[in-house]
Amino acid sequence: EVQLVESGGGLVQPGRSLRLSCVASGFNFDDYAMHWVRQAPGKGLEWVSGLSWNSVTIGYADSVKGRFTISRDNAKNSLYLQMNSLTAEDMALYYCAKDLFRFPYAFDVWGQGTMVTVSS
Amino acid sequence: EILMTQSPATLSVSPGERATLSCRASQSVSGNLAWYQQKPGQAPRLLMYGASTRATGIPARFSGSGSGTEFTLTISSLQSEDFAVYYCQQYNDWPPYTFGQGTKLEMK
Repeated sequence: EVQLVESGGGLVQPGRSLRLSCVASGFNFDDYAMHWVRQAPGKGLEWVSGLSWNSVTIGYADSVKGRFTISRDNAKNSLYLQMNSLTAEDMALYYCAKDLFRFPYAFDVWGQGTMVTVSS
Repeated sequence: EILMTQSPATLSVSPGERATLSCRASQSVSGNLAWYQQKPGQAPRLLMYGASTRATGIPARFSGSGSGTEFTLTISSLQSEDFAVYYCQQYNDWPPYTFGQGTKLEMK
């Protein structure tokens, strides 16, 4: 079964950092691009960041550029999102998503998400 | 950044009837458009990519059309499980990928 399991969310104070992880199973992780997409409570979807299968092609939303860093470890079938200088606007459910192909395209598998709450 | 606009915001349709959802891009995205379905408390599910290609396991009652800036998702005969929020997303020009604000399909 193809599966993505996110972890690392929680309650964090404004200005602090958090690292999200996503572990993949059921497919050849190093054959696909991967992404982070977030959804604030009651709101729509916002793409956060994505990277190609080999980490050469990386992109960020303007809202997180310079604060968030995406990375992957193909040997561990894992995707990461390092989030620094968090603000209330970053509070959301963060989904890990698998791409259809090696380079960014559309997202065919999603995890269940990990919630990030930013509050003092 | 390409702005994606979906209409209507809410669509009320009876089971068995046809539903037509629209998505407009602020500039051409060619055919690089995807549609997702999201039910309450669940992660989104990919329905269509390439504007008109159904993802694996998606029933034939779902169809997509369009290119450039105008796109449509049609559900030919609504089933109870189809009532959900639908998002379009462009992947022609990134970063960033951009999603529409969503159309809530509700039962009439």
